Amino acid sequence: KNQVEQSPQSLIILEGKNCTLQCNYTVSPFSNLRWYKQDTGRGPVSLTIMTFSENTKSNGRYTATLDADTKQSSLHITASQLSDSASYICVVSVNYGGATNKLIFGTGTLLAVQP
Amino acid sequence: ETGVTQTPRHLVMGMTNKKSLKCEQHLGHNAMYWYKQSAKKPLELMFVYNFKEQTENNSVPSRFSPECPNSSHLFLHLHTLQPEDSALYLCASSRTGGGEPDPNYGYTFGSGTRLTVV
Repeated sequence: KNQVEQSPQSLIILEGKNCTLQCNYTVSPFSNLRWYKQDTGRGPVSLTIMTFSENTKSNGRYTATLDADTKQSSLHITASQLSDSASYICVVSVNYGGATNKLIFGTGTLLAVQP
Repeated sequence: ETGVTQTPRHLVMGMTNKKSLKCEQHLGHNAMYWYKQSAKKPLELMFVYNFKEQTENNSVPSRFSPECPNSSHLFLHLHTLQPEDSALYLCASSRTGGGEPDPNYGYTFGSGTRLTVV
């Protein structure tokens, strides 16, 4: 069964600290993996996308890693800011052949950055 | 703003009411989607439209009725809802590749409509 699991479910850190969010997936055939940030009351916004051959991708203070062998991804946030408080969702794309793709969503990690 | 606009942002309705959610995008995308987001659950795909034709209905109850008059507009008509239908309803759009909706190029989500059924 195609599944995406994220941990921890929620996380509280102090402003300025670093943190790492985890994503494990059992999805096949894998196409790509995205991390989304969803602010409260907003829709998700894409942070990074990685294909099978990529194992790290950065977007400012956000760095995503991908280990396609172990089917694990992480999102590392450096020097956290109050505005990083949000839900972070891992989304894996399944390619069923040709142009047909499906998205499998994780439940998200809720991050709270405190002053 | 992301380029996908949803209205209203908040909606409270009784179980006997009829209401509609609206989604509009001017990104040049041809695929549009409705998702339901409930607390502590993954986003659930409800409907997919490609070039204004419905290509996917994910076993959604008939009390939810989508309408796509053109590639830029998508509606979700609601009637006789249940309290468990209370959720954040998200609209998204994406490119179409190879004739199929292609979320591989990335979704653009709207801000959602927070629906409460009382």
